[in-house]
Amino acid sequence: EAEVAQSPRYKITEKSQAVAFWCDPISGHATLYWYRQILGQGPELLVQFQDESVVDDSQLPKDRFSAERLKGVDSTLKIQPAELGDSAMYLCASSIPGDSPLHFGNGTRLTVT
Amino acid sequence: GENVEQHPSTLSVQEGDSAVIKCTYSDSASNYFPWYKQELGKGPQLIIDIRSNVGEKKDQRIAVTLNKTAKHFSLHITETQPEDSAVYFCAASISGVGNQFYFGTGTSLTVIP
Repeated sequence: EAEVAQSPRYKITEKSQAVAFWCDPISGHATLYWYRQILGQGPELLVQFQDESVVDDSQLPKDRFSAERLKGVDSTLKIQPAELGDSAMYLCASSIPGDSPLHFGNGTRLTVT
Repeated sequence: GENVEQHPSTLSVQEGDSAVIKCTYSDSASNYFPWYKQELGKGPQLIIDIRSNVGEKKDQRIAVTLNKTAKHFSLHITETQPEDSAVYFCAASISGVGNQFYFGTGTSLTVIP
């Protein structure tokens, strides 16, 4: 079964440093999402792409976070500078339009020290 | 926007017993309701979903019910097994509005052998 690929699985960084996460969605999935999941909570949407276009980035802290999906396939989420409160699991998901579920990757666990 | 509430936050059952997790949503336009299971260190995995034109759906030991009038839906797991232990999330989505998904806060299920 096709999977959403994410890397790295774990990342430890010091505050004020830059970090980047990569996601490769399931082939053919036009919609790609980045979620942040704090321990003990549900995923919260950061940004949503339809092909290469941003559909929703209203919850993305744009002063420090950026996301791109240049060719409408894989995507990169960047944080610069990282803050202690950014420690969380960053999940990527993809889907096809319509009543279809999200398919999640296994996430990147970020720890900011 | 949509608000999804999930109860209980933790649930312990004896192996073989049933487990029920309940969610409510606020936006009557929501029409697609997936349930996800998240194991430690992994991304959420879809276990069952239901669309608003259906009141109940069953897949082996797992069933979901939907009451559109009351705006609540529930996950039922029968004959629980230790491998059912995980965190379960409900979600609500409005199809056609960029496929945005809103998640509950999760239920940590422990099945005691």
